[in-house]
Amino acid sequence: ELKVEQNPLFLSMQEGKNYTIYCNYSTTSDRLYWYRQDPGKSLESLFVLLSNGAVKQEGRLMASLDTKARLSTLHITAAVHDLSATYFCAVDITGNQFYFGTGTSLTVIP
Amino acid sequence: KAGVTQTPRYLIKTRGQQVTLSCSPISGHRSVSWYQQTPGQGLQFLFEYFSETQRNKGNFPGRFSGRQFSNSRSEMNVSTLELGDSALYLCASSLIFQGSEQFFGPGTRLTVL
Repeated sequence: ELKVEQNPLFLSMQEGKNYTIYCNYSTTSDRLYWYRQDPGKSLESLFVLLSNGAVKQEGRLMASLDTKARLSTLHITAAVHDLSATYFCAVDITGNQFYFGTGTSLTVIP
Repeated sequence: KAGVTQTPRYLIKTRGQQVTLSCSPISGHRSVSWYQQTPGQGLQFLFEYFSETQRNKGNFPGRFSGRQFSNSRSEMNVSTLELGDSALYLCASSLIFQGSEQFFGPGTRLTVL
């Protein structure tokens, strides 16, 4: 069974700092997604990565995919309080059947 | 364009009862997937429907079932509720091709007493 691991599980960082969240998965796939979830809310799509070497950026967030290493990263640049949320990566190997990571709970401290 | 809608938003049931949750996908989306989110198990895939056919199924007991109608709306049913079924149930819709993004609804919060 496909396993998707994220680390760290919890991340507390100061505003203005940079950090990276890692997502490792156990089976070959070139479809990797990042989502954000605010407390009590649903999932908001952040990035869709569909090939090896894919890199996408939106504001202070940048995601990349290395299918050979089975690794995706979500890099946060100059964190601000509004980025506080839980971030999930998800891998799709069969088509519309997502395997989600454990989530990374990010708190940005002013 | 309207997003994915789910009804009801909140439900309280007792053990042994059954429940039906509804999901209306984004217009034009024909694939609907269901997920269960709990603090202990995280986000787990339940099943996916396309053109009224279940294409994929997760590792859940037969008490969990679903269906999709010709207008792509979907329902999921849980029979003989157990305490452990308390969770946030999320529905997601997408276009039909692999690699398409899934858009999630607001979820139905089910509490089993």
